[in-house]
Amino acid sequence: QQQVKQSPQSLIVQKGGISIINCAYENTAFDYFPWYQQFPGKGPALLIAIRPDVSEKKEGRFTISFNKSAKQFSLHIMDSQPGDSATYFCAASPGLSNYQLIWGAGTKLIIKP
Amino acid sequence: NAGVTQTPKFQVLKTGQSMTLQCAQDMNHNSMYWYRQDPGMGLRLIYYSASEGTTDKGEVPNGYNVSRLNKREFSLRLESAAPSQTSVYFCASSEGIARYEQYFGPGTRLTVT
Repeated sequence: QQQVKQSPQSLIVQKGGISIINCAYENTAFDYFPWYQQFPGKGPALLIAIRPDVSEKKEGRFTISFNKSAKQFSLHIMDSQPGDSATYFCAASPGLSNYQLIWGAGTKLIIKP
Repeated sequence: NAGVTQTPKFQVLKTGQSMTLQCAQDMNHNSMYWYRQDPGMGLRLIYYSASEGTTDKGEVPNGYNVSRLNKREFSLRLESAAPSQTSVYFCASSEGIARYEQYFGPGTRLTVT
């Protein structure tokens, strides 16, 4: 069964610190690994995505690190700000033949001022 | 450009009642999705429509039906609501190729008593 396991379930980080959320997958046929950010009362929004042939992708303070051999990928938020407080979901895209994203269970991130 | 819109925003139903959740997108996307989000369970796909004229079951289709009315609109129907269907429902859309990049609506919070 295809799964994406996400940890931790919740995370509290001091303002200015680094937030790290981890995901692990089992299927090697995924072609994209996106991260979504969801604020309370809103729908999720794509934050950043990476292909499995790239080890790292950075957009501003957000970085995805990808370890293909370990089947793991993680989201790093540098200089975390209170405005980053949200729920973060990792996901995996099975490829052109399958329209169903495989979602992690989510991480609720709280940045303390 | 409104993106993905959903109606209603909130709804309370009694067990056994029926209702239809409406979704429309103005991005000319081919693919549309219905998810439910429950605490601690992330996002679960109910149904999706890869393109106009097609619909397919997702992970949790029981108790739901869908209609892809045209390219813009994708509705979700609960024929006989049950308390287990109390959830937040999200509609999303994507361009066919970049399937991992999904655009979400604001959600419908449904309570079944």
